[in-house]
Amino acid sequence: EVQLVESGGGLVQPGRSLRLSCTASGFIFDDYAMHWVRQAPGKGLEWVSGINWNSGGTGYADSVKGRFTISRDNAKSSLYLQMNSLRGDDTASYYCVKGKTSGYHNCFDNWGQGALVTVSS
Amino acid sequence: EIVLTQSPATLSLSPGERATLSCGASQRVSYNSLAWYQQKPGLAPRLLIYDASSRATGIPDRFSGSRSGTDFTLTISRLEPEDSAVYFCQQYANSPTFGGGTKVEIK
Repeated sequence: EVQLVESGGGLVQPGRSLRLSCTASGFIFDDYAMHWVRQAPGKGLEWVSGINWNSGGTGYADSVKGRFTISRDNAKSSLYLQMNSLRGDDTASYYCVKGKTSGYHNCFDNWGQGALVTVSS
Repeated sequence: EIVLTQSPATLSLSPGERATLSCGASQRVSYNSLAWYQQKPGLAPRLLIYDASSRATGIPDRFSGSRSGTDFTLTISRLEPEDSAVYFCQQYANSPTFGGGTKVEIK
């Protein structure tokens, strides 16, 4: 059974940093691309960032480009999201998501339970 | 960026009825790179359909997807009470984007 468990969420002040982690199990982690998708309270889904199987390709939404950095450690079956210069509109549940294939452009076939990030003073 | 527009915003139907959800793309979506997700309150989304018309693992055959040009459709042939949820479409032909969602209510 695929499991994706996020950690590192919480309350942070505007302008500060936070790092999300996701630990994966139940599949061969380095065979698949991984992504972060967020959902503001009561709102729709927004893709944040993605990384292909070997970290050779990454992508970011315009809203986070230059502030967020995605990375992965295949030896640890872990995915990360370093979030800097946080703003109020970054407040959301952040989902760790498994891509359906190794490539960057794909759909998302397994989702974590989400980590809530609240940016507020 | 490919913008996806979903309609209607809300659909209210009775059990056993047919639900038709639409997702229109602002430009051509190559290789049928469109997926549908179901999200129930307090839970993460679940993949229903990928590549426009392929059902994901474990998804009942009452869910089906189709495409006509830049318009995509999710059909639930016979609604059941547990189908009450919000449904999102997503394209992955380039940087992924999601539609705004359609809420399906069961009377």
